[in-house]
Amino acid sequence: KAGVTQTPRYLIKTRGQQVTLSCSPISGHRSVSWYQQTPGQGLQFLFEYFSETQRNKGNFPGRFSGRQFSNSRSEMNVSTLELGDSALYLCASSLLAGQSYEQYFGPGTRLTVT
Amino acid sequence: SQQGEEDPQALSIQEGENATMNCSYKTSINNLQWYRQNSGRGLVHLILIRSNEREKHSGRLRVTLDTSKKSSSLLITASRAADTASYFCATDAARGSTLGRLYFGRGTQLTVWP
Repeated sequence: KAGVTQTPRYLIKTRGQQVTLSCSPISGHRSVSWYQQTPGQGLQFLFEYFSETQRNKGNFPGRFSGRQFSNSRSEMNVSTLELGDSALYLCASSLLAGQSYEQYFGPGTRLTVT
Repeated sequence: SQQGEEDPQALSIQEGENATMNCSYKTSINNLQWYRQNSGRGLVHLILIRSNEREKHSGRLRVTLDTSKKSSSLLITASRAADTASYFCATDAARGSTLGRLYFGRGTQLTVWP
């Protein structure tokens, strides 16, 4: 099975712009979670989608949003980019977001905001 | 917010030696997962251990879980230079909003010298 894929892998944007990142989960996985990784804050949970519904959300401002499509692919959007949004954005897919299911991560999208 | 904390922050050993990393967490969990991350890349899933399990093996990896002490350890036997990476433990939370959300520690940076 192909793993989790994320596009693009690298992105450079300027402050004030918006960006959309894409994640394709492992075939058959219906849950997609997003994380932000920075040297200062480590890995922080953004949100989780299952069957096109956002079921869980981390403590991020409303500029961070996402969605999931019927084929389980997910996108996240960051509007009005700030320098502090520079980070590695990781998505993870899971068979089910239950109590004992592994999350498998993609290679990440490295976002640099200048 | 971080739920888990890895110890030590950094570990440097010679090839062939064993590497032990520890993880402590704060709240009750359903399961705990260990991940590896090579510099700036995605997280690779290593092993999941459930709260009712005490020990689990996978190849050169041995994971233990002590729920009474809220701690876990990851042992890598006969380390190789290719094991050089950051290692993270990730927990869910047995109560509260857990869907699709993992809590990560800051990680242990393991360096294995040839």
